[in-house]
Amino acid sequence: EAQVTQNPRYLITVTGKKLTVTCSQNMNHEYMSWYRQDPGLGLRQIYYSMNVEVTDKGDVPEGYKVSRKEKRNFPLILESPSPNQTSLYFCASRSGSLVGGQYFGPGTRLTVT
Amino acid sequence: KNEVEQSPQNLTAQEGEFITINCSYSVGISALHWLQQHPGGGIVSLFMLSSGKKKHGRLIATINIQEKHSSLHITASHPRDSAVYICAVGIKAAGNKLTFGGGTRVLVKP
Repeated sequence: EAQVTQNPRYLITVTGKKLTVTCSQNMNHEYMSWYRQDPGLGLRQIYYSMNVEVTDKGDVPEGYKVSRKEKRNFPLILESPSPNQTSLYFCASRSGSLVGGQYFGPGTRLTVT
Repeated sequence: KNEVEQSPQNLTAQEGEFITINCSYSVGISALHWLQQHPGGGIVSLFMLSSGKKKHGRLIATINIQEKHSSLHITASHPRDSAVYICAVGIKAAGNKLTFGGGTRVLVKP
């Protein structure tokens, strides 16, 4: 089954404690993205990757890092989380062509206290 | 001004009614996406359009590239269609980066 998986689904952590949210897709997609969703602000792109070892900043990259060492994985790293990073996070992937749609992971609800 | 504007923000319909959600954008796009987000939070891609019209079951999506406008129609609406519908565009000048509308919250009453 074609899917994007994210882990963990829920996380409560404290300010400053490094964390990683994993994202993996099984569709051999070139393009992967991370988004955050906040009430009243909608979905905003954090980082995206157009292929292995190719990443670029989205609209709200501050406080986040990503890496793309393998095509299937695109982890999101928060080196020193702060309360303003409390949000619902989605990973997504799509093929490099414009034929297929976006596939979204189930979301990770992060709370930073 | 947002690059992607959706209307209405909220919509309530009776079961069986025809529903239309509108999306306007102001930039050159490579494609337009319609997404559905259920109360549980998961996001599903409904359509990706670069021209014309697509249909899937009771859902129809159209796009007019010249007018920079798209519509999502739900025919014979059902309470299970209650969700937030989000329009997103891939911006040509930004490597097809997706920019999202604010969403339309649809409630279909039985």
